[in-house]
Amino acid sequence: EADIYQTPRYLVIGTGKKITLECSQTMGHDKMYWYQQDPGMELHLIHYSYGVNSTEKGDLSSESTVSRIRTEHFPLTLESARPSHTSQYLCASSEAGTNDEQFFGPGTRLTVL
Amino acid sequence: DQQVKQNSPSLSVQEGRISILNCDYTNSMFDYFLWYKKYPAEGPTFLISISSIKDKNEDGRFTVFLNKSAKHLSLHIVPSQPGDSAVYFCAVQGAQKLVFGQGTRLTINP
Repeated sequence: EADIYQTPRYLVIGTGKKITLECSQTMGHDKMYWYQQDPGMELHLIHYSYGVNSTEKGDLSSESTVSRIRTEHFPLTLESARPSHTSQYLCASSEAGTNDEQFFGPGTRLTVL
Repeated sequence: DQQVKQNSPSLSVQEGRISILNCDYTNSMFDYFLWYKKYPAEGPTFLISISSIKDKNEDGRFTVFLNKSAKHLSLHIVPSQPGDSAVYFCAVQGAQKLVFGQGTRLTINP
């Protein structure tokens, strides 16, 4: 069973607030990912990391930022939340091989008022 | 430009019958394909995968078929069970990243 955790699970916050979505995995995976998903839509990759101190932007432009100081931890930060950031954010991790399945966390549903 | 398409947003199937979910992709260079299942308020979970060197992969009630010439893959679930009701995403392995389709919501009716 995958051990990847996300907190909070649900967050309702006002416009302009700074937020950090937490993601941790205990599998020792080198690769970690952040996806954004709106209802009925595909998952869009917004950030990924191949290891400590490695971060890259994904296919979907996002105003969020990420950091990877420790292998197990990959937090996502929004400096100033806006209603357009309302979405579900999913974190995932995988081993270092080319075709490794990604294990997903339960997601954070963010609502910005 | 959507590289992975699941053209059926929803599918309803009687319990015990076969469920067939379809997925089309545009890039013939893709060589690894996956299916994920997602329940509400949970993250997707890996279901089954197939490499481009094969045209079929089976795991219990789940079988994935790959038609490379048509750039099409399908997931067959037989027999369908109520617990199979979920959203199913197909994904293809791109350059170090997965590209997902929009998902198909499968409902299994008793």
